[in-house]
Amino acid sequence: QVHLQQWGAGLLRPSETLSLTCTVYGGSFSGYFWSWIRQTPGKGLEWIGEINHGGNTNDNPSFRSRLTLSVDTSQNQFSLKLSSVTAADTALYYCARFSLGGEPFDYWGQGTLVTVSS
Amino acid sequence: QSALTQPRSVSGSPGQSVTISCTGTSSDISGYKYVSWYQHHPGKAPKLMIFDVSKRPSGVPDRFSGSKSGNTASLTISGLQAEDEADYYCCSYAGAYTSFGGGTKLTVL
Repeated sequence: QVHLQQWGAGLLRPSETLSLTCTVYGGSFSGYFWSWIRQTPGKGLEWIGEINHGGNTNDNPSFRSRLTLSVDTSQNQFSLKLSSVTAADTALYYCARFSLGGEPFDYWGQGTLVTVSS
Repeated sequence: QSALTQPRSVSGSPGQSVTISCTGTSSDISGYKYVSWYQHHPGKAPKLMIFDVSKRPSGVPDRFSGSKSGNTASLTISGLQAEDEADYYCCSYAGAYTSFGGGTKLTVL
């Protein structure tokens, strides 16, 4: 059984860097893209980006200049860093497993509420 | 890349059918077969309900069905039940980019 466990700071001040990590338990770490998705108040789901076990990434151009995605295959972990956050980055952030040609976003982390406030 | 367009809300009575539309472009929905739908109850992680336009993951009732025509995908829920009340999001692969809809709130009257 696949399980994604995520963690990171939940309260940030404007201009700080948001940092989240997701550990994958069970299943294969290779053969998938590992994704970050957020839900902003009143705006629905927004895809941030993804990384695979080889470190190949795809990302949403809206975040590209502030986004760093990384992977640690030895720990079956992947991470998100989003710099220079503002109140607009206040959201519920999820990690999820993506498979193109398979079942996309079939497993999700529990979600981390990140609040940006001075 | 723009978000896919969904109605903000739909409603139906128990036993009825509802359809939620999702409109995109030739760069996403009509360009690929990779349209999926997610059910989201507050406080829980989203749940995959439909993938590859019309396929159901194991465990999803056959009351849920998906289709696509041109730039518009649709999710139909038949035999509405109280537990179907949730937010529903469409999603489309768009070539190294993934786009979600704005979400539709389904109310079961």
